Amino acid sequence: DVKVTQSSRYLVKRTGEKVFLECVQDMDHENMFWYRQDPGLGLRLIYFSYDVKMKEKGDIPEGYSVSREKKERFSLILESASTNQTSMYLCASSDPEGRSTLHFGNGTRLTVT
Amino acid sequence: AQSVAQPEDQVNVAEGNPLTVKCTYSVSGNPYLFWYVQYPNRGLQFLLKYITGDNLVKGSYGFEAEFNKSQTSFHLKKPSALVSDSALYFCAVMSAGNMLTFGGGTRLMVKP
Repeated sequence: DVKVTQSSRYLVKRTGEKVFLECVQDMDHENMFWYRQDPGLGLRLIYFSYDVKMKEKGDIPEGYSVSREKKERFSLILESASTNQTSMYLCASSDPEGRSTLHFGNGTRLTVT
Repeated sequence: AQSVAQPEDQVNVAEGNPLTVKCTYSVSGNPYLFWYVQYPNRGLQFLLKYITGDNLVKGSYGFEAEFNKSQTSFHLKKPSALVSDSALYFCAVMSAGNMLTFGGGTRLMVKP
């Protein structure tokens, strides 16, 4: 079974802090994704990556950056956390085959105070 | 641009009754459609997908979905609901660019 692990289930940070959310997958998937989930809005894509050191902006990249130094690890960075970034963050991975399913981690609930 | 609509925020059904969770989509070209389920404090789990072929797709946990091209719909169904089916359900569409767009989610409540 594919396992996608997000390092923290809950995080509380202060406004202005730099925040790192880590995600590791164990299936050698080339594609990795970061989504945020907000009630009524579903999941919105922040950034994705098709390969090591490669990144592409999703629908809502403002205020975020990412890092993919190794194939199994995809990090989401909030350069200066703000209260409107309080949300559930979900990492996912998939193999490079078109129309393949996403495998999700259990999510990190981030609260910015 | 592609989009997905889940018109019901919540669906309530009694255990043992059939359930339907609605989804409509908008996409240029052939749609690839997915349903995911989210249980409390968990990530999303894949239920089923439509790529091509038979309009009735069978998935995990006894769920199925019917693709209707003329109505641009992909409703999720189950003949007999279980209390354990209570969860948040997401419909998603993928276009040729291989990016998934999710609907807002529908909370299913199955009461004993």
